[in-house]
Amino acid sequence: ELKVEQNPLFLSMQEGKNYTIYCNYSTTSDRLYWYRQDPGKSLESLFVLLSNGAVKQEGRLMASLDTKARLSTLHITAAVHDLSATYFCAVDDTGTASKLTFGTGTRLQVTL
Amino acid sequence: GAGVSQSPSNKVTEKGKDVELRCDPISGHTALYWYRQRLGQGLEFLIYFQGNSAPDKSGLPSDRFSAERTGESVSTLTIQRTQQEDSAVYLCASSLMSGYTEAFFGQGTRLTVV
Repeated sequence: ELKVEQNPLFLSMQEGKNYTIYCNYSTTSDRLYWYRQDPGKSLESLFVLLSNGAVKQEGRLMASLDTKARLSTLHITAAVHDLSATYFCAVDDTGTASKLTFGTGTRLQVTL
Repeated sequence: GAGVSQSPSNKVTEKGKDVELRCDPISGHTALYWYRQRLGQGLEFLIYFQGNSAPDKSGLPSDRFSAERTGESVSTLTIQRTQQEDSAVYLCASSLMSGYTEAFFGQGTRLTVV
């Protein structure tokens, strides 16, 4: 059974600081997704990572994928308050290509 | 519409009643997913439809849960004899093709069983 673990589960950081969220998964997969969820809202797609070594950047967020280590990271550079949200990684279940298994989420709070 | 549309947005029902949740995917999207999100938790996969293939029902938690999809359009998730533990947000998502493109999520239906 595919397991996806994120850490930390909760992250409080000051504006202007850098930090990294980690996503580990238990089976081989080269398809990983990052989503953002604001309170009471649905999920917004951030990044789609489809190969080993993939790196994508959007604004202050950068995501990478290391399929050998079964690890993806979401790096936050010079955080701003607007980035406060819950971030989920999700892994494509190899062999079925039909569903995403989500991590438990990292709740990010950026303080002024 | 431009995005995935779900209805109702909120539903309060009495324990033991049946409920039906609706999802309109993005036009042209062949893959459709249902997920459940309990308060403060991640998403649990429920069921997946891809074109005319047999759906993947492996995530349905019990036989009280069922889902249908009409061709490549509307899907309904039905929960019979609702229980309090069914209270959650039910999210629907669609994508152009499973596994290779990003899934776009609807706003969800918040179900409360009292």
